[in-house]
Amino acid sequence: NAGVTQTPKFQVLKTGQSMTLQCAQDMNHNSMYWYRQDPGMGLRLIYYSASEGTTDKGEVPNGYNVSRLNKREFSLRLESAAPSQTSVYFCASSEVSFTGELFFGEGSRLTVL
Amino acid sequence: GENVEQHPSTLSVQEGDSAVIKCTYSDSASNYFPWYKQELGKRPQLIIDIRSNVGEKKDQRIAVTLNKTAKHFSLHITETQPEDSAVYFCAASVETSGTYKYIFGTGTRLKVLA
Repeated sequence: NAGVTQTPKFQVLKTGQSMTLQCAQDMNHNSMYWYRQDPGMGLRLIYYSASEGTTDKGEVPNGYNVSRLNKREFSLRLESAAPSQTSVYFCASSEVSFTGELFFGEGSRLTVL
Repeated sequence: GENVEQHPSTLSVQEGDSAVIKCTYSDSASNYFPWYKQELGKRPQLIIDIRSNVGEKKDQRIAVTLNKTAKHFSLHITETQPEDSAVYFCAASVETSGTYKYIFGTGTRLKVLA
């Protein structure tokens, strides 16, 4: 089992460019999440998905879109990247009916110039 | 909206001493409170959690206490060791739309001095 896999691990963008962060989990979890981590700010929830076909906004959704493609995959898209979106992005999944524990991916470091 | 405050932001202790990290939450509907440890350059990993129907939980050197009336919970690490050095995050979660929505605190950087 790979757990939660994110790609890419590193990315540099110019302001205004677009990109998609991919996330896949092989634990058959229903719930998936995207967080961003900035120094001194902790982990802030961008979007989450309770199940395939549903998505909800978190604390900081502006500037992002998400797609829950199927049960395994949950992607995060930046349509027009801004320097304020420079961050480390973590995807996570959980199975509420079991423990509720969040399983995180390794993170994707994004720099917007 | 929901908010979780965490203190202190940094904590230095001598090896063998105890460390305490405190969190308060705003949403009274929160019912699940996990703690995550993040080592440098790594992903956060769950170390202990507590549900709202329990006041205290212990796992070897780690314990968590919850006071629902005051809306605060704490992490206690006894007999600290150098490998306990990491950033610790508390979180409060509320069940919504068939899942948990987790809100994290801003983290505590713990340094255990040998």
